[in-house]
Amino acid sequence: QVQLQQWGAGLLKPSETLSLTCAVYGGSFSGYYWSWIRQPPGKGLEWIGEINHSGSTNYNPSLKSRVTISVDTSKNQFSLKLSSVTAADTAVYYCARGRLRAYYYGSGSYKVPGDYYFDYWGQGTLVTVSS
Amino acid sequence: SSELTQDPAVSVALGQTVRITCQGDSLRSYYASWYQQKPGQAPVLVIYGKNNRPSGIPDRFSGSSSGNTASLTITGAQAEDEADYYCNSRDSSGNHRGVFGGGTKLTVL
Repeated sequence: QVQLQQWGAGLLKPSETLSLTCAVYGGSFSGYYWSWIRQPPGKGLEWIGEINHSGSTNYNPSLKSRVTISVDTSKNQFSLKLSSVTAADTAVYYCARGRLRAYYYGSGSYKVPGDYYFDYWGQGTLVTVSS
Repeated sequence: SSELTQDPAVSVALGQTVRITCQGDSLRSYYASWYQQKPGQAPVLVIYGKNNRPSGIPDRFSGSSSGNTASLTITGAQAEDEADYYCNSRDSSGNHRGVFGGGTKLTVL
């Protein structure tokens, strides 16, 4: 059974760097998009970014200038760093395993929709930014 | 646009059928996935792909899609289905990123 266990500092001051790590237990580490998602108190989910086993990353354009996601395949871990945090970054941060099958065009130029989903999630870490 | 739109709140009588919808251009290229989130808990995947349920998800949950709209249907809603539901898809406008809907609060009366 796949399990994601995450940890990191829960209280930061403005301008500091948020740092979280997620360890993956069970299952393969390759073939997935290892992702970070956050949820401000009382609000919805926001996709932060992802990394695959080879280190290729994609980031939310709204956070791209401050986000770095890295991977350590020797430990089956991936990490999130978010620099220059403010109170607006206060949220529960989740790590998750993403699965992606891209859409393609079948016969007759018919578009076959792709699949994209998160099947395993970490327990979440509340990160509070306060002076 | 890469945004996904959901109704903020929906209610259903116990045992009745409810449909939660999600709209967005990306749904023409990617099936929506759906997540159930109860207070203080991490989201749980309930529907993915064309209409697939992970192991352990009751068969009263089903998914469908047409054009730019995806739907999550709960047939015979139970009290334990009261939760927030989020749809998710992949940006198909050239930006390689995930996107979530704003969430729907489901109340079971």
